[in-house]
Amino acid sequence: TQLLEQSPQFLSIQEGENLTVYCNSSSVFSSLQWYRQEPGEGPVLLVTVVTGGEVKKLKRLTFQFGDARKDSSLHITAAQPGDTGLYLCAGANAGGTSYGKLTFGQGTILTVHP
Amino acid sequence: DAGVIQSPRHEVTEMGQEVTLRCKPISGHDYLFWYRQTMMRGLELLIYFNNNVPIDDSGMPEDRFSAKMPNASFSTLKIQPSEPRDSAVYFCASARTSFYTGELFFGEGSRLTVL
Repeated sequence: TQLLEQSPQFLSIQEGENLTVYCNSSSVFSSLQWYRQEPGEGPVLLVTVVTGGEVKKLKRLTFQFGDARKDSSLHITAAQPGDTGLYLCAGANAGGTSYGKLTFGQGTILTVHP
Repeated sequence: DAGVIQSPRHEVTEMGQEVTLRCKPISGHDYLFWYRQTMMRGLELLIYFNNNVPIDDSGMPEDRFSAKMPNASFSTLKIQPSEPRDSAVYFCASARTSFYTGELFFGEGSRLTVL
């Protein structure tokens, strides 16, 4: 069973602060996705990273895939209250018995106070 | 275009009753997934279909759970009989072919409470 561990589980910060969320595994993934979920809604995809060492930026959000494709990080610069939500990482495999399965981390609940 | 549509949004039932959750995936998507989300266990994959065929149901908790996809535009997840530990938010999601590099589109979820 492939597991993804996210840290921290909870993050409460003030508007304008920077933060980093980590997603770690002992398994190699062919791709890794980050989703954001707001209360009462389903997760929404933020980004997909595929290549080891890949860095993608989405406005104030920076995503990085580890060189060995076992870990990823999400960095938010100058957090805003609108960034509040549950952030989920999810790893996918393209072959073997895990084909078709997207394994989700437990999530990081981010609260940004005005 | 309409997204993934789930019904009901909320369901409150008593232990032992049958529960049926419904999902309409996005037109043209080949994959359909059923997930369950709880605070304790996070988001768990229950079963997924490819072109209406169940591919992997190893996440289905037990025989009380069953899922069907009679056609490309409709799927159901049934729990019979329901138990309090089944209380959770159940999400349906769909994706195009080669979803693992693409996007999983989630519905808004069905919140189930079993008393």
